Amino acid sequence: DQQVKQNSPSLSVQEGRISILNCDYTNSMFDYFLWYKKYPAEGPTFLISISSIKDKNEDGRFTVFLNKSAKHLSLHIVPSQPGDSAVYFCAARGGGADGLTFGKGTHLIIQP
Amino acid sequence: DTEVTQTPKHLVMGMTNKKSLKCEQHMGHRAMYWYKQKAKKPPELMFVYSYEKLSINESVPSRFSPECPNSSLLNLHLHALQPEDSALYLCASSQDPGPRTEAFFGQGTRLTVV
Repeated sequence: DQQVKQNSPSLSVQEGRISILNCDYTNSMFDYFLWYKKYPAEGPTFLISISSIKDKNEDGRFTVFLNKSAKHLSLHIVPSQPGDSAVYFCAARGGGADGLTFGKGTHLIIQP
Repeated sequence: DTEVTQTPKHLVMGMTNKKSLKCEQHMGHRAMYWYKQKAKKPPELMFVYSYEKLSINESVPSRFSPECPNSSLLNLHLHALQPEDSALYLCASSQDPGPRTEAFFGQGTRLTVV
């Protein structure tokens, strides 16, 4: 049973526009959420995180929004750049578990 | 410095071989992790070391044996692996094992079992 779900396997966005990646979770004990970016054959690179006590966190072009009641979070990238093309993983931790639980990832493709 | 270094980058081993994967971080992090990632799948947690003690073993077969010699090093000893164990093995570390800390990942070791 997947506790972290990314329902869009891929997303194509034009350069300069906003990219919105979505993530849903089922475990109400999760209280910290992270987004990672991954290129093929490399390890995930940490992008941004958000604690459950907040509903928004911003870092440069990246903003993460958390809707606790809906158990939903999203990552906004604006403006999108060609170098943003990668697989984006949503991850969660909490509930006594020390490790991260990952979603299946969304492959973001930025088109020129 | 947010670097986690893994060696080797690539490893091909036979089913009767014994090999080790190594991971090193010098960020003073007190929690270290091994994850396994198969193609087109998310990383899956294998082991967690918290303050150099094994705190979580996610039902991993005994042919995988982790070791934490000190707070900067984490090894994964491999013995009698199967072809289905071929995957990208990722090491990560975080400042502490608490829930509100980011984990930083190494580049991974691409393991092929033949």
